[in-house]
Amino acid sequence: EPEVTQTPSHQVTQMGQEVILRCVPISNHLYFYWYRQILGQKVEFLVSFYNNEISEKSEIFDDQFSVERPDGSNFTLKIRSTKLEDSAMYFCASSGWIAKNIQYFGAGTRLSVL
Amino acid sequence: QQQVKQSPQSLIVQKGGISIINCAYENTAFDYFPWYQQFPGKGPALLIAIRPDVSEKKEGRFTISFNKSAKQFSLHIMDSQPGDSATYFCAASTGSGNTGKLIFGQGTTLQVKP
Repeated sequence: EPEVTQTPSHQVTQMGQEVILRCVPISNHLYFYWYRQILGQKVEFLVSFYNNEISEKSEIFDDQFSVERPDGSNFTLKIRSTKLEDSAMYFCASSGWIAKNIQYFGAGTRLSVL
Repeated sequence: QQQVKQSPQSLIVQKGGISIINCAYENTAFDYFPWYQQFPGKGPALLIAIRPDVSEKKEGRFTISFNKSAKQFSLHIMDSQPGDSATYFCAASTGSGNTGKLIFGQGTTLQVKP
């Protein structure tokens, strides 16, 4: 069964450092998303991406965040200068053309900012 | 108005019992209501979903009941099993536009005792 793959599973970084979280969405999907889940809290929408551009972003997704689809398979989330409060689980999701809200999630990357 | 409110926060049920989790929303533009199941260390997995043109959807032991006038929907897990112990999130989304972003509830931690 096709799945969304995320790497790394755990990323530890120092405050102020740049991190890149990587995702390989399901191959024929066209819509891509990043969500965040702070420990013990709900899953929060960060950004959606379609046709090589951001289609919507939340208030959380400030200038420190960026997304990119550098090739036909990868989808990345970059945090330029990490803060302690960026520590969370980051989930990538993708969906197909017919039903963009039927989203399939990866296992997540746990980001720990020290 | 974008919020989805979920209750209870935690739930303990005996094996074989019925687990019921409730969600409420305000935005009448929502037209897709999925439930996600999340095990520790894993990403949310789509469990079952409903659209507002039906009042109930059943898949195996899982049933969504939908009350459009009350703007509420609930997940019923019949014959609950210890393997159902997980965190359950309701969510809502609109189909219009290019986003399809999901708005999640706070989550319910379900423990099924053997």
